[in-house]
Amino acid sequence: GQNIDQPTEMTATEGAIVQINCTYQTSGFNGLFWYQQHAGEAPTFLSYNVLDGLEEKGRFSSFLSRSKGYSYLLLKELQMKDSASYLCAVRNAGNMLTFGGGTRLMVKP
Amino acid sequence: GAGVSQSPSNKVTEKGKDVELRCDPISGHTALYWYRQRLGQGLEFLIYFQGNSAPDKSGLPSDRFSAERTGESVSTLTIQRTQQEDSAVYLCASRETTGYSGNTIYFGEGSWLTVV
Repeated sequence: GQNIDQPTEMTATEGAIVQINCTYQTSGFNGLFWYQQHAGEAPTFLSYNVLDGLEEKGRFSSFLSRSKGYSYLLLKELQMKDSASYLCAVRNAGNMLTFGGGTRLMVKP
Repeated sequence: GAGVSQSPSNKVTEKGKDVELRCDPISGHTALYWYRQRLGQGLEFLIYFQGNSAPDKSGLPSDRFSAERTGESVSTLTIQRTQQEDSAVYLCASRETTGYSGNTIYFGEGSWLTVV
């Protein structure tokens, strides 16, 4: 089976940097995804990591360490619109995608 | 359409009735997933279709839940004898399985089910 852990809630200040961590246990790792979900809306794709290291995409970066079963999502220059839930998801060799419970981020002025 | 389309967007049903939810994946996407999300909670995997292979039904919570997909087209999720605990948003997602773009999974807007 798969087990994915991430913090339930985080709070940060507009303009700051925040790091959302995700740890996982899986058999047959085949990629890690981060999604953003605003309240009442569908999740939208943010990033994909399958090799160790940092993937940067504008204000958002995602890091993966397969040996540690660890990833983080880094959000820079926070904006109020970044207030949302951030979902970590792991894909296994059978292409099943399992989501963590999500981290609800609140950005304050 | 350009995205994953789900219908109905909202459904209120009486306890004990059957409901059918529909998902139209992005054209050409061979992989299709169904998830359930209760209010304020994470996404719960239900079922996964990949082309003509046997679906992965390991996430279906009970035998009241079933899903069908014909080839690489529309999928329907059926919930029989609905119960109040089935109230949730049911999200469908699809994925192209070739090339780098096959690593991106696109979600529909969901079908919000309320059982009263």
